[in-house]
Amino acid sequence: GESVGLHLPTLSVQEGDNSIINCAYSNSASDYFIWYKQESGKGPQFIIDIRSNMDKRQGQRVTVLLNKTVKHLSLQIAATQPGDSAVYFCAENTLSGYSTLTFGKGTMLLVSP
Amino acid sequence: EPEVTQTPSHQVTQMGQEVILRCVPISNHLYFYWYRQILGQKVEFLVSFYNNEISEKSEIFDDQFSVERPDGSNFTLKIRSTKLEDSAMYFCASGRGGSTDTQYFGPGTRLTVL
Repeated sequence: GESVGLHLPTLSVQEGDNSIINCAYSNSASDYFIWYKQESGKGPQFIIDIRSNMDKRQGQRVTVLLNKTVKHLSLQIAATQPGDSAVYFCAENTLSGYSTLTFGKGTMLLVSP
Repeated sequence: EPEVTQTPSHQVTQMGQEVILRCVPISNHLYFYWYRQILGQKVEFLVSFYNNEISEKSEIFDDQFSVERPDGSNFTLKIRSTKLEDSAMYFCASGRGGSTDTQYFGPGTRLTVL
């Protein structure tokens, strides 16, 4: 089975709303999680990361929450803008000593003006 | 701001042909990666490369695939005999390394095998 997955394939919001994108992971040994944004025709772009010794981390308009008990990760985007429209992937890092990323399927975020 | 670049942006080839996808990682990075993304699917790890050798590879990275750092700036992925199912976006990434390494992705090469 997949190690990392997403609950919602598409999320539609209005400009100015707050968005929440969810991700479930199954590998309890993962200790590092990253959210990537992928716009059409482009490569994944790093948004924010979090280590397993934290449960919350904030960036500019984004917050990542980690719940290790239920193996759940979420990305919150405040005051969503049309430019936030993209596919969002969560990814986890395996404990192999190297940085092999395992990606989830992705959630499409659609922001209407 | 430095970025990872990839060429070509789109490669069309016939089944059975060899292709080489090229990447120029960020200059002070030491770890290099290839990922692929089949249309509509998730990004999948292929291989990681450090100190002129493969660090890790996935089950996808079989004998048809090889990687090389031919000089101080380029990092290439070669597919010896392409199959239809190799059609995908191929992303190169680079990073400084370590278990919390931030990987920076290039824009990708779209490979179409006919």
